[in-house]
Amino acid sequence: ELKVEQNPLFLSMQEGKNYTIYCNYSTTSDRLYWYRQDPGKSLESLFVLLSNGAVKQEGRLMASLDTKARLSTLHITAAVHDLSATYFCAGFINTGTASKLTFGTGTRLQVTL
Amino acid sequence: DTAVSQTPKYLVTQMGNDKSIKCEQNLGHDTMYWYKQDSKKFLKIMFSYNNKELIINETVPNRFSPKSPDKAHLNLHINSLELGDSAVYFCASSQVLAGGLEQYFGPGTRLTVT
Repeated sequence: ELKVEQNPLFLSMQEGKNYTIYCNYSTTSDRLYWYRQDPGKSLESLFVLLSNGAVKQEGRLMASLDTKARLSTLHITAAVHDLSATYFCAGFINTGTASKLTFGTGTRLQVTL
Repeated sequence: DTAVSQTPKYLVTQMGNDKSIKCEQNLGHDTMYWYKQDSKKFLKIMFSYNNKELIINETVPNRFSPKSPDKAHLNLHINSLELGDSAVYFCASSQVLAGGLEQYFGPGTRLTVT
C-alpha cells in the first residue's frame, strides 16, 4: 500500500526567503500531484509530475520528481504572503479499473512579513 | 459553471441522526470520489465510483453508504451519526479511462456532529 510522508508539517518563513517541502512515498507511484488548500477552501491542483526527472514551475513554485529516490520536492523561491496555505502532495496509483490518490500529511506554510 | 458542486456546504446535526450529502459534476467524467478531511487536515479516500459502479471502498464503516444514480452524481448517506464523523467531506471527479490527469475537487461539506 502506498504511503506518503511530507515534511515539514509546519513551515514559517519570512518573505523573500527560499525553502523546500519534501514528499517521500513508499512504493511505486504512477504520478505525483501537488495541491494547495487555503483555509476553509477546496483543493487547487498545482502540478502533476509524470516521470523521473520531471520539473514543473509556476511563478515562485517549482516541483520536481525523483522516482528512484521516491521523492518529490516543492521549492518556494522568494516567498510572498500570498503563498501562505497548506500544501499537499499525493501519490497516484491506477490499476486500470481503480485509481486513487493517497495524500501526504500536508505542510502548512505561513509567510510572514 | 461550477465543475464539481456539493450540497450542503455546512451541516450541523446531532448524534444518532441520518444525513445525506449530494455531489454533482458537469465535466462528463467517468469516475467520482468521496474524501474525508479530519480536524488535523489529513485527507483520505473513502469511496470511488466508475460509471455508477463501486470501485474502491476504503474500509469505511457501513454507516456510510454512497449512491450513484448516474455518472454525474455521487451522494453520500450517513446513518447514526457519531461525533467522530465530524469532518470536511470532499467530492471529486476525474476521467480515468481516457487517462485524464486531473482530479477536480468540490468545495467541501463541513459536517459537525454535536
